[in-house]
Amino acid sequence: DTAVSQTPKYLVTQMGNDKSIKCEQNLGHDTMYWYKQDSKKFLKIMFSYNNKELIINETVPNRFSPKSPDKAHLNLHINSLELGDSAVYFCASGGGTDTEAFFGQGTRLTVV
Amino acid sequence: GENVEQHPSTLSVQEGDSAVIKCTYSDSASNYFPWYKQELGKGPQLIIDIRSNVGEKKDQRIAVTLNKTAKHFSLHITETQPEDSAVYFCAALTGGSYIPTFGRGTSLIVHP
Repeated sequence: DTAVSQTPKYLVTQMGNDKSIKCEQNLGHDTMYWYKQDSKKFLKIMFSYNNKELIINETVPNRFSPKSPDKAHLNLHINSLELGDSAVYFCASGGGTDTEAFFGQGTRLTVV
Repeated sequence: GENVEQHPSTLSVQEGDSAVIKCTYSDSASNYFPWYKQELGKGPQLIIDIRSNVGEKKDQRIAVTLNKTAKHFSLHITETQPEDSAVYFCAALTGGSYIPTFGRGTSLIVHP
């Protein structure tokens, strides 16, 4: 069983389109995250969601929005995609404060 | 907020040699320090972690040391093997927080 699964693994789309990436965790964790990994491998936190509390990295454009239908899911919606949005996006979940995060396999988004 | 510096950005070693990756953190309230390994095309996975009440932890060929006074922690890999080749990330969590701050990553290359 995959602990944190995200779909799709690859996403190629044109500028201006709207897309979504889905994420599900079966670990029973209260916290979920979205990270963006750029070409230099830097992991940048975009959002964290803990017990309905959303913490947003203020540098993330408001074209990005997380949506959590329930505790096991945190989907990422992106509107009006731009070339600079091309990156690998990772979903992760955690058991609480001061514990490890479990990452999904990543979604490679390419905007053309 | 917390700031984590990681060095070196690239590390090239011969098989069988040891590899050391070093990180420093800024927030003295940080108390949990995980290390992640990211293989090509995959998400980061925890390989070892250490808490602030411990100075050293070992798991087979990998070990982590923590110096709270100097606010730095290190990953040591002995008898490196080609399959150790990956990007390694250090991270720090401040007490009560569930959002890890990551270092910028170290690309480890082990030459057979």
